[in-house]
Amino acid sequence: DAKTTQPTSMDCAEGRAANLPCNHSTISGNEYVYWYRQIHSQGPQYIIHGLKNNETNEMASLIITEDRKSSTLILPHATLRDTAVYYCIVPATNQGGKLIFGQGTELSVKP
Amino acid sequence: DTEVTQTPKHLVMGMTNKKSLKCEQHMGHRAMYWYKQKAKKPPELMFVYSYEKLSINESVPSRFSPECPNSSLLNLHLHALQPEDSALYLCASSHQKAPGQGISPLHFGNGTRLTVT
Repeated sequence: DAKTTQPTSMDCAEGRAANLPCNHSTISGNEYVYWYRQIHSQGPQYIIHGLKNNETNEMASLIITEDRKSSTLILPHATLRDTAVYYCIVPATNQGGKLIFGQGTELSVKP
Repeated sequence: DTEVTQTPKHLVMGMTNKKSLKCEQHMGHRAMYWYKQKAKKPPELMFVYSYEKLSINESVPSRFSPECPNSSLLNLHLHALQPEDSALYLCASSHQKAPGQGISPLHFGNGTRLTVT
């Protein structure tokens, strides 16, 4: 499995960019990187995913290093509602669609 | 609000009871999932259904019995549970991609909070 490593917690000031790192040094060439978040008392929410190129959508940007061993999720202008646990996941292609959550990063956005 | 609806939102049951959790989606997704989440822990995968057939069982005890009666519905039947089974049970669905094409984004419901007394 391409295991991921994330910091346990991070703080971010409201209105500033939140940069959440993830290491996945054992990732294989055809394995994607997915990001989900879970706001308290809700189910996880899909944010973004990528393979090699950087990706951007209405929620966030995903920057993947050229060697694909790490990535950064960027929330460009964090709000209080972005306070959540953020999960970086690399599902193994030989495991038929199993999305396995690691411990994630607890992001606190402060006023 | 989510596009995956789970009922009930809360459930309290005794160890001798039989109950069922229900999950419904109308997005045309053909993959459906059950996860279990204990407090302050990440969700743990329990079962995956693909085209209404059970494709993954993560060695879940038989007191949990999943059922997928059609492409929109997913049930989890509960019988003789233990207090340590108390948790948030999350249902999710996704499109089914071809092998090697990654996993389509999962859409999660907000879960059923189960308490076993």
